[in-house]
Amino acid sequence: QSALTQPASVSGSPGQSITISCNGTSSDIGGYNYVSWYQQHPGKVPKLMLYDVSKRPSGVSIRFSGSKSGSTASLTISGLQAEDEADYYCSSYRSRSSTTYVLFGGGTKLTVL
Amino acid sequence: EVQLVQSGAEVKKPGESLKISCKGSGYSFSTYWIGWVRQMPGKGLEWMGIIYPGDSDTRYSPSFQGQVTISADKSINTAYLQWSTLKASDTAIYYCATSRVVTEMDYWGQGTLVSVSS
Repeated sequence: QSALTQPASVSGSPGQSITISCNGTSSDIGGYNYVSWYQQHPGKVPKLMLYDVSKRPSGVSIRFSGSKSGSTASLTISGLQAEDEADYYCSSYRSRSSTTYVLFGGGTKLTVL
Repeated sequence: EVQLVQSGAEVKKPGESLKISCKGSGYSFSTYWIGWVRQMPGKGLEWMGIIYPGDSDTRYSPSFQGQVTISADKSINTAYLQWSTLKASDTAIYYCATSRVVTEMDYWGQGTLVSVSS
């Protein structure tokens, strides 16, 4: 099953804002508001940053925000900090051929310059 | 405090079977989904499947259907991921994670490294 499509890498300077896109189809992102975003630092366990497109779990900085337009979801990080340097993965609920499951994107490496 | 504690690293040979575990504590184990995620060396996250321990409702990614079996024993708050015939390509870190719903994973275990080599 093809993953959701993310850019391999993005970069930004401290204080700037960056946006990571996540492209799907009408069977996943375009059909449901069940997009999540995860942050993973090297050698660490993934952490849920956003769910249901734009909701933040308790404890996640308000600098992280999410949106969706059609079959593309986006994660925006404002006021970029060195600690934000990590891999970011989107995920979405998918329903296809009477099968429902969750799909991850390929991941995006964020570099803070 | 929600905690998921996974079993330790495994070194196996191709063709062998394996069952790894994930023990939950600090929450109502039967009423949260537990999912499994694969991360191959240097690669991204892959959603494998998920189980609701309360009634054993299980969903699989088409990519993993028939390749692994997910189960849970709610009497001991433990979920399992098992293989009947391991392959070298099963070498990866496997994470378990809880979900209030199928669509997100809130709390994660520490990961179990599975190495398969002849």
